Amino acid sequence: AQTVTQSQPEMSVQEAETVTLSCTYDTSENNYYLFWYKQPPSRQMILVIRQEAYKQQNATENRFSVNFQKAAKSFSLKISDSQLGDTAMYFCAFMTDYNQGGKLIFGQGTELSVKP
Amino acid sequence: DGGITQSPKYLFRKEGQNVTLSCEQNLNHDAMYWYRQDPGQGLRLIYYSQIVNDFQKGDIAEGYSVSREKKESFPLTVTSAQKNPTAFYLCASSIAPSGAGDTQYFGPGTRLTVL
Repeated sequence: AQTVTQSQPEMSVQEAETVTLSCTYDTSENNYYLFWYKQPPSRQMILVIRQEAYKQQNATENRFSVNFQKAAKSFSLKISDSQLGDTAMYFCAFMTDYNQGGKLIFGQGTELSVKP
Repeated sequence: DGGITQSPKYLFRKEGQNVTLSCEQNLNHDAMYWYRQDPGQGLRLIYYSQIVNDFQKGDIAEGYSVSREKKESFPLTVTSAQKNPTAFYLCASSIAPSGAGDTQYFGPGTRLTVL
């Protein structure tokens, strides 16, 4: 069974600093997709970044970037120049390539607090 | 503006009652999903639909039912058979039924509380 583990239930960072959130996953598949979603206090789930496992290059989206280590099954999220609006729960999620109807498997989340 | 709407935002249910949560999207997406979120946990898949008039059970379908009569609508009914229905419910959609890596976009959610 595929699983996603986020080992840091809570983290905090000072405004303008950089923080890295960890995520590991377990799968026997070779092709899959990885996502980071953000859930602010409004509870709306917002896509932060998406990575395709067959691509070597790490995905980047403005201040957000990932460190994808396929052999280690690791998918960490780096937030640069942290802003107060980055305060949220962050979820790592996994989707296989074969047709399971697009099922997303989520980790338990990391609650990030950005302090002024 | 395109997006996903869920109603109501808050819902209270007495034990033994069935309730229906609404999910509508105007993104012209084929696939729609229902997830449940409990405190301190990630989301778990209840049901999904890849195309109109077709749907499949997810990981925690017991006590829930769905229908998909229209492309833009995917209502979820929480039945009295669901033993612990108090949770936050999120609806999502994605562009194609293949599910191969398509990004899922989420609605704002419905908070269901059993009194």
